[in-house]
Order: sequence, then C-alpha cells, then structure tokens
Amino acid sequence: GESVGLHLPTLSVQEGDNSIINCAYSNSASDYFIWYKQESGKGPQFIIDIRSNMDKRQGQRVTVLLNKTVKHLSLQIAATQPGDSAVYFCADRPQGTYKYIFGTGTRLKVLA
Amino acid sequence: DTGVSQNPRHKITKRGQNVTFRCDPISEHNRLYWYRQTLGQGPEFLTYFQNEAQLEKSRLLSDRFSAERPKGSFSTLEIQRTEQGDSAMYLCASSLDILPLHFGNGTRLTVT
Repeated sequence: GESVGLHLPTLSVQEGDNSIINCAYSNSASDYFIWYKQESGKGPQFIIDIRSNMDKRQGQRVTVLLNKTVKHLSLQIAATQPGDSAVYFCADRPQGTYKYIFGTGTRLKVLA
Repeated sequence: DTGVSQNPRHKITKRGQNVTFRCDPISEHNRLYWYRQTLGQGPEFLTYFQNEAQLEKSRLLSDRFSAERPKGSFSTLEIQRTEQGDSAMYLCASSLDILPLHFGNGTRLTVT
C-alpha cells in the first residue's frame, strides 16, 4: 500500500551543525515530494519540494535530495538554529492523484 | 496573504453530539483538503475538493463524516454522533492547482 515513513523519530543536533532528516517512501509511482515543518500547536508549514525528474533542490539553508532508485528522500538543514526545532514531515503525491501521503514525522531538537 | 483560516481552534464536545468545523482557504486556491492528525502522527488524508466538487474521499471517512464546499470557497466538515476516537486535530489545507498545500492551524477536537 501507499506509505511514507521516516527512519528516525527524534534527531538532536548542536546549534550551528548541519541536520539531515531522512524519509523512505514506498510508492514508486510518486512524482512529487514535499517537506513540511510543524511547530507545536500549528499546522504544517511548507519548506521545500522536489519533482521526480530532479535529484536535488536547494532553498535557503535547506536542500532536498531524492534517490528514486532506493525510494529515499532527505532534508538537509545547514547551520541549524534553535528556531529549526520542530517536527518535520515528508509527503509524497502518487502520480495521477492530488492526494498527499504523510509520514509519521521526525522531531528535530536543537541543542544550545 | 491571510493564509488558511480554521474555526473554531478548539472544540470540546460530548460523545454522541454533532460538530461542524469551518475552513476558509486562501482566496485564489481552487483545491481544498481535509486531513486528520493524532498526537505523534503525520496528517492523514480525509478528502479533497477541486472548486465545489469533492473528488476523493479516504476510506477513513466513515458515514458519520461529511464535507462540503458549496460555492467553491469555504468548506465545512461535519462529524455526526461523535465518538472518543474522533478526538484529533483536523487540518484544512488549500492549493492552487498542483502547487504545494498551505495548511491552516487546525481545529482540535476533544470528545469526552
């Protein structure tokens, strides 16, 4: 069935270090992927997206990598800051649908 | 940009009562989604609309759940005869065509 999972439920990093959050997806027909950040009491906030015809996309301090061969997605955050502390979700959209499937999430804790 | 607005933010109801939530999407967005999120989990897809047409419903959406988007603008999600298992955060999101979803801050439902 369709599922998007994450390898690590909690990730702790030192302020200033780089963070890498991983995600595995199961639907090889998915053609669009998004990373969201969710802070306590708020809805998910869009961070960055990538289409299946790309393997890397960069934003401000964030980079998403897509490996379709092993159905793996990662989010890299450079120079992690205290404000980056949140739960991060990856989501995929199976080709031909407009439904987004979310994973369980990884909690990122930034240590001062 | 006023963002996606959801009301109420919190709702406490007794088992067996009916509840209705409202979502006002970003004004030019033609797609509107409802998701449900329980503690420690990622959002689960419930249903989505393109304009006023409800195009897909999840198997999670029992007969007690109904969603409408009568004029292709705001949407309502009604839960009839609430059960304790309905306690969750109900998230609304909107998008313009195939662009990323923008989420509201949700309605937290507690069924006692």
